[in-house]
Amino acid sequence: AQRVTQPEKLLSVFKGAPVELKCNYSYSGSPELFWYVQYSRQRLQLLLRHISRESIKGFTADLNKGETSFHLKKPFAQEEDSAMYYCALSGLGVLTGGGNKLTFGTGTQLKVEL
Amino acid sequence: DVKVTQSSRYLVKRTGEKVFLECVQDMDHENMFWYRQDPGLGLRLIYFSYDVKMKEKGDIPEGYSVSREKKERFSLILESASTNQTSMYLCASSSDRVYTEAFFGQGTRLTVV
Repeated sequence: AQRVTQPEKLLSVFKGAPVELKCNYSYSGSPELFWYVQYSRQRLQLLLRHISRESIKGFTADLNKGETSFHLKKPFAQEEDSAMYYCALSGLGVLTGGGNKLTFGTGTQLKVEL
Repeated sequence: DVKVTQSSRYLVKRTGEKVFLECVQDMDHENMFWYRQDPGLGLRLIYFSYDVKMKEKGDIPEGYSVSREKKERFSLILESASTNQTSMYLCASSSDRVYTEAFFGQGTRLTVV
């Protein structure tokens, strides 16, 4: 079974403060991990994926296989970062040769205050 | 530029009705997904499909069925709608390549009265 846990439902920070959104996963194989973001009244969209190892909008995330974590970080929060953030894991489907099952966490609402 | 389209933005149905939610993608993706999104519960996978006529149960399939007769179209069916199925429903698609991005529709807000 594959599972994603995001312990915080709401994270409130001041503008300019560091941000860390926590994500832990459970998966028996080699995971593909992602962060998705949903801004107000917009579609859910990809923010970054672990294989890219790049910074998107100042956000980074490092896969820690020992701790089975994939926390999202940004050194200085901006007002436009306020959104719902979802951690997601992609794994093989139940059937042999099946597709990539994509499982999401419960999400963390990030609120950046002035 | 729109890649995943859900047929309705808002739907209101009566308890016991059979409800169809349609989703179409134009990217020739192999995988398609149906999720429901509820506050505090995040996105929960209902069903997904990895090929035409192939489907897999997700985490909350009870009360739902799906149909994929063509590669670009994935339908979610509520056999007999109930009030606890009032929710936001999201469709997504992705290719079979590794580390591939999933693209989402705009969502259907279903209210069962």
